[in-house]
Amino acid sequence: GQQLNQSPQSMFIQEGEDVSMNCTSSSIFNTWLWYKQDPGEGPVLLIALYKAGELTSNGRLTAQFGITRKDSFLNISASIPSDVGIYFCAGLSYGGATNKLIFGTGTLLAVQP
Amino acid sequence: GAGVSQSPSNKVTEKGKDVELRCDPISGHTALYWYRQSLGQGLEFLIYFQGNSAPDKSGLPSDRFSAERTGGSVSTLTIQRTQQEDSAVYLCASSLPGFTDTQYFGPGTRLTVL
Repeated sequence: GQQLNQSPQSMFIQEGEDVSMNCTSSSIFNTWLWYKQDPGEGPVLLIALYKAGELTSNGRLTAQFGITRKDSFLNISASIPSDVGIYFCAGLSYGGATNKLIFGTGTLLAVQP
Repeated sequence: GAGVSQSPSNKVTEKGKDVELRCDPISGHTALYWYRQSLGQGLEFLIYFQGNSAPDKSGLPSDRFSAERTGGSVSTLTIQRTQQEDSAVYLCASSLPGFTDTQYFGPGTRLTVL
């Protein structure tokens, strides 16, 4: 199935560092979403973006909806050990009978105390 | 519980056997989605149910895969004649109708086909 290009694939950082990851697509999306998945759990929504150029924060997390509507990034500031997990972007594609989420391939984040 | 639940949490089966995976959505959520997550990959859409409407099966990878939703609540994903490439985590999500951007995911079923 269709997937978004997400980078980096993995990151190994020290506690306190800032983190940045991004997603790009060949298609335009009307909504971008960022999820976090802990081991053995399903993804949990972190931030939702609904407008091109929108910059939204949720605590130490900041995400932006690219002007072209084909990309988005997520920043995590002052990382802590509990930030460990896999982060996924997702674009919401409208069309047909179903609005579908198209997911990125994920960024594995490891934080060393 | 208040969240989406899935069972079993882990399933190991032999190639060629059939398996059934169960999803209990959040009460009141009429929209239900199934996804497959292969190792190191993102989530791949499989099937979508909304109320009594015909399901969107466009993501099912082959005719060995089927799903049903009884009584507008519990859903079962069935994989017949399992193959090793079916090994993955199968995730279920539910949402209020029209709120595709606000899906709540279950913990998934890890399927291993030997």
